[in-house]
Amino acid sequence: DTAVSQTPKYLVTQMGNDKSIKCEQNLGHDTMYWYKQDSKKFLKIMFSYNNKELIINETVPNRFSPKSPDKAHLNLHINSLELGDSAVYFCASSQWGLAGSSYEQYFGPGTRLTVT
Amino acid sequence: SQKIEQNSEALNIQEGKTATLTCNYTNYSPAYLQWYRQDPGRGPVFLLLIRENEKEKRKERLKVTFDTTLKQSLFHITASQPADSATYLCALATDKLIFGTGTRLQVFP
Repeated sequence: DTAVSQTPKYLVTQMGNDKSIKCEQNLGHDTMYWYKQDSKKFLKIMFSYNNKELIINETVPNRFSPKSPDKAHLNLHINSLELGDSAVYFCASSQWGLAGSSYEQYFGPGTRLTVT
Repeated sequence: SQKIEQNSEALNIQEGKTATLTCNYTNYSPAYLQWYRQDPGRGPVFLLLIRENEKEKRKERLKVTFDTTLKQSLFHITASQPADSATYLCALATDKLIFGTGTRLQVFP
């Protein structure tokens, strides 16, 4: 019954590796997001997809590539991992409103990525 | 430059009192403002949304105000309980959600 799920919950890897995080939502929403929460707990949007199309792409290194195979899934692939990529990554979903973020967002449990 | 500031990193209050959290912003004109709660090791959970033309919104023990002239939102928890202890995040809604730095609330018995 989990609304927004992410796998894995923890990811420990070495610098230079490539890794992926998967996200699925069963709320019937048409918009999904990836956020990064750093060690100071600051939560910042990275990407947003609406109906499988990329609509928000913040200034994120192009080592990060999101992919949305369908409206219910949004994956995040990270190439050549760096120490600074260590953070908690949250997936979220919402309906899409005329004013963009007019609807509440539902967050997944997060993936804690540690790069050593 | 654009900024969102929440009044303090941490707020400690006694059970039964009203907790008041502040969210101030500069150089934004959000149409909506949202408040979320985040517990350690978990994702944020939506609490309340208030529109720019609404002065106040209530939900059970929660109350939010939104003053677009002062560029400020206040979040109140009345009759606070230890279970209300968490980090509270305000978020400005433009074409995306822009989160504040959060306030960690601790309610002690």
